[in-house]
Amino acid sequence: AQKITQTQPGMFVQEKEAVTLDCTYDTSDQSYGLFWYKQPSSGEMIFLIYQGSYDEQNATEGRYSLNFQKARKSANLVISASQLGDSAMYFCAMREPHGSGNTGKLIFGQGTTLQVKP
Amino acid sequence: DSGVTQTPKHLITATGQRVTLRCSPRSGDLSVYWYQQSLDQGLQFLIQYYNGEERAKGNILERFSAQQFPDLHSELNLSSLELGDSALYFCASSYGQGAQNEQFFGPGTRLTVL
Repeated sequence: AQKITQTQPGMFVQEKEAVTLDCTYDTSDQSYGLFWYKQPSSGEMIFLIYQGSYDEQNATEGRYSLNFQKARKSANLVISASQLGDSAMYFCAMREPHGSGNTGKLIFGQGTTLQVKP
Repeated sequence: DSGVTQTPKHLITATGQRVTLRCSPRSGDLSVYWYQQSLDQGLQFLIQYYNGEERAKGNILERFSAQQFPDLHSELNLSSLELGDSALYFCASSYGQGAQNEQFFGPGTRLTVL
């Protein structure tokens, strides 16, 4: 069964420092997508970054980068130069293509709460 | 702003009642997904529609139903509400159904059942 595991319920980071949020996944499919979403206290889900299973290079989006290690089935999110506004819950998610028994839905981890200290 | 709209933003109702949550996907997106976020269950997939047709079901209770209309907006109907149905309900839309297609989330409807 497909599964996403985020082992860090809560993390603290000093402002302007980098932080890594861990994510491991389990799937038997060869084609899949990995996503990170940010959920601030206001509740909305904000897309941060995407990594495809066939992508050879790690994805980057501004201060966000994804450390993709396919053999280890990990997709850690790295936030560089943390800002106070980065304080939020972060979700790792996996999506498989619709078809062959897959629904195309997103499967989410339990989330990591990040607090940035001034 | 993701381009996905959901109404209402907040809903407070009593046990046993029925409510309807509405979602308008991004312009051009054909797929609509509904998710439920609760403290004990986390984020769970409920149901998916693609161009008006139901395509997939997740952990959706029989008391819940949904539909997607010709203009592609979707409604999630929750009936015989219980205290445990209190949650944040998200709608997400996507152009395609491939693994690479990002799902854009609406702001959510926060349902409180008293």
